[in-house]
Amino acid sequence: DGGITQSPKYLFRKEGQNVTLSCEQNLNHDAMYWYRQDPGQGLRLIYYSQIVNDFQKGDIAEGYSVSREKKESFPLTVTSAQKNPTAFYLCASSIGRRVDGYTFGSGTRLTVV
Amino acid sequence: AQSVSQHNHHVILSEAASLELGCNYSYGGTVNLFWYVQYPGQHLQLLLKYFSGDPLVKGIKGFEAEFIKSKFSFNLRKPSVQWSDTAEYFCAVTMQTGANNLFFGTGTRLTVIP
Repeated sequence: DGGITQSPKYLFRKEGQNVTLSCEQNLNHDAMYWYRQDPGQGLRLIYYSQIVNDFQKGDIAEGYSVSREKKESFPLTVTSAQKNPTAFYLCASSIGRRVDGYTFGSGTRLTVV
Repeated sequence: AQSVSQHNHHVILSEAASLELGCNYSYGGTVNLFWYVQYPGQHLQLLLKYFSGDPLVKGIKGFEAEFIKSKFSFNLRKPSVQWSDTAEYFCAVTMQTGANNLFFGTGTRLTVIP
């Protein structure tokens, strides 16, 4: 079955620690995205990547970093610079530049204590 | 900057009632429009989309949406809701040219009472 796998489903970290969220897809999609979902704020774009070895900042990139070394993988690092990291993080992918709808992963809920 | 507004934050309906969820966007160019649904504990799923042509689009599970260009709106409708429609609904917009990022609304939580 093709899809997007995000792991882990739940993640707890101490304040001040960096943490990396995994996102893997086997859909052969060129583009991948990271969104943050907070209650009452919808989904906000953190970073996106159209092709391997290239990525762009979204609306709320501060305190986050990404890499795209392989087409299948787009990990997101939440750094200690992110002031309010506790949130639900969603990864998505799409076919190339034409957005024919995204395929979403099941998300990772990060709690920083 | 593009923005998407969903004015209904939480809608509560009884089964068999009709549903209309509002979605307005702010962008003067040509857009693609989407409605996504997130059932409790599940992935976001595409309900329906509009790219061009007939402004009334039909999606899965009996949902439909109408694109009214003059009003910058893409409201979601269903004639008769079921308890299983309880979910959060997100409207999203992308431009047809340039960057292809999806801009999401804040979501509307729908609760259907049996």
